[in-house]
Amino acid sequence: QKEVEQNSGPLSVPEGAIASLNCTYSDRGSQSFFWYRQYSGKSPELIMSIYSNGDKEDGRFTAQLNKASQYVSLLIRDSQPSDSATYLCAVVTSGGYNKLIFGAGTRLAVHP
Amino acid sequence: EPEVTQTPSHQVTQMGQEVILRCVPISNHLYFYWYRQILGQKVEFLVSFYNNEISEKSEIFDDQFSVERPDGSNFTLKIRSTKLEDSAMYFCASTRSGTGELFFGEGSRLTVL
Repeated sequence: QKEVEQNSGPLSVPEGAIASLNCTYSDRGSQSFFWYRQYSGKSPELIMSIYSNGDKEDGRFTAQLNKASQYVSLLIRDSQPSDSATYLCAVVTSGGYNKLIFGAGTRLAVHP
Repeated sequence: EPEVTQTPSHQVTQMGQEVILRCVPISNHLYFYWYRQILGQKVEFLVSFYNNEISEKSEIFDDQFSVERPDGSNFTLKIRSTKLEDSAMYFCASTRSGTGELFFGEGSRLTVL
């Protein structure tokens, strides 16, 4: 069973701080990794994709990938109350045909 | 901005009844998906569809489930005989490239009584 694991949280950070979200995955052959954001009662929305080891920055968001450790992370700089949501790590499994598997998500709460 | 649209937004049905959930993917997208999310749980893969056929399905997607793309724009999920445990939010998603960068619809909430 190919799994994606995340700490469920909640992760509580003050406004303006850096929020750090982590994810591990079991399928060593996975090559494509994603972070989605899901507000309560809404659908998932893509924030970042990352395919190579290292860091990828997009505005206040930085995704980090370490394939050797099977570890993906998302940093949110200058956190805002509007960032309060559940963050879903997702992985395209190897040997499948574009099958995207989600972790259970980490709930982030940014307090003013 | 193009979006994935889903209907109905909420459906209540009796156990054993057939349900059809409808989706209109983004027009130039080629890969289509159904996911479900039971309240408080994770988003679970059901099925992927490409080139007018199922490309992959999960163990959840048993003989009670089927998908169709009847007319080149709609993408439907049918549940033949609903069970209580089918109560969930069902999300349709599409992508042009098949890379995992999915665009999700707003979801159809199914309540089975």
